[in-house]
This record gives sequence, structure tokens and C-alpha cells, in this order.
Amino acid sequence: GQQLNQSPQSMFIQEGEDVSMNCTSSSIFNTWLWYKQDPGEGPVLLIALYKAGELTSNGRLTAQFGITRKDSFLNISASIPSDVGIYFCAGQLQGGSEKLVFGKGTKLTVNP
Amino acid sequence: DSGVTQTPKHLITATGQRVTLRCSPRSGDLSVYWYQQSLDQGLQFLIQYYNGEERAKGNILERFSAQQFPDLHSELNLSSLELGDSALYFCASTGGLYGYTFGSGTRLTVV
Repeated sequence: GQQLNQSPQSMFIQEGEDVSMNCTSSSIFNTWLWYKQDPGEGPVLLIALYKAGELTSNGRLTAQFGITRKDSFLNISASIPSDVGIYFCAGQLQGGSEKLVFGKGTKLTVNP
Repeated sequence: DSGVTQTPKHLITATGQRVTLRCSPRSGDLSVYWYQQSLDQGLQFLIQYYNGEERAKGNILERFSAQQFPDLHSELNLSSLELGDSALYFCASTGGLYGYTFGSGTRLTVV
């Protein structure tokens, strides 16, 4: 089945630093999504990307849908302590109600 | 509150037992998905229902089954439980746009 390779697995950064994580796949996806999971909670959607080459921002977060449709990255600028959590990329082969394939997550720790 | 409700939040049970996890999707969403999240694993897709019918199946064990009822709530049944079934089980729903909305999960501990 489809697999997403997400890297890095974990990051330890200082508050104020920028962060970058990415996701690659051997399959082409038509939709890429980025989620954040806080401890004890379900993942929450951060950014959704629907078009190859698309660059979308949500506050300090920026994500891009790769031109080849096989990759995506997420950047977080000027990190703050509440950015701590696990970030997941997810791909969807078709739109709508098609199931999502998830990466294994990037665990982010921000030191104040 | 995401609008997706999962109960119970925590469940501790013995090996060999059977449990039922419940999910109420966000109002108006017809699709319900179940995912399993184990330690050091990402979210593994188990099964999808759309308006009462099974739509897609992932790596769901034969000991596990699910259904979606006419009021669109869904139940995931796990039987003959093993220690390795201990995990977080998430339900998500979608109306077709903008990805899924996840519930807060049920943490299952099998002892």
C-alpha cells in the first residue's frame, strides 16, 4: 500500500527558531494535509493543499505541495512553546471522502 | 470540541475480552473512519463507513469489526483482545471537504 516517509522523526529546538519538516511518497497524491496532535488529543488539521506547487500559509505555518505531487513540506517560523506536539503529514489519492494515508509523525520539542 | 465524540475515553480490559468503542461524527458528516495509533507508530487506517455502508478497509484484523448505524454513529468492536491491541483508537469524520475531523480518541489498555 501507499506509504509516506516523514522526516525528521523528532526535533529539539529553541524558542524563536524556525522549523522545517517534510514528507515524501513513492505514490502521487492529489491532496496533502498537515495535522498537529497534542498529548491525549486527536490530530487537528493545520493546512490542506489541493494543487501541485501550491504554497499556503496559516499564521506562522507555511506548507507546500510539491510539483511532482509526491512530496510536501511544512515550515514553522519563530517557534513558541505551544508549538510542541507531533506533526503528521497525510496524503489523499483522490479528494472528498477518500481515506488518508499518514506519515509516522515528527515530534517537536521547543525549549523556552 | 471538534464535534466528533468518542466514548469511552479510557478503557482497561483483560486479554481475551471484547470491547466496543463508540463514535458520533460531526453533525452532517456521512463518512466515518477508524484509525489505530500504537506507540511509535503513525495512524494506521482500519476501516471507513459512508452513510451506513462499508467503503474501504485497511489493515483491520479479523477479530475487529465495525458498523455505522442509521443515525450515523459508528461502533468499533474488538474481540479476543491481545496485549498488542493496546493503543489509541481514533474516529474521524468528513463531509467531503477540507480533510478529516478527529475525535479525542479512546485509549485501550489490555492487561
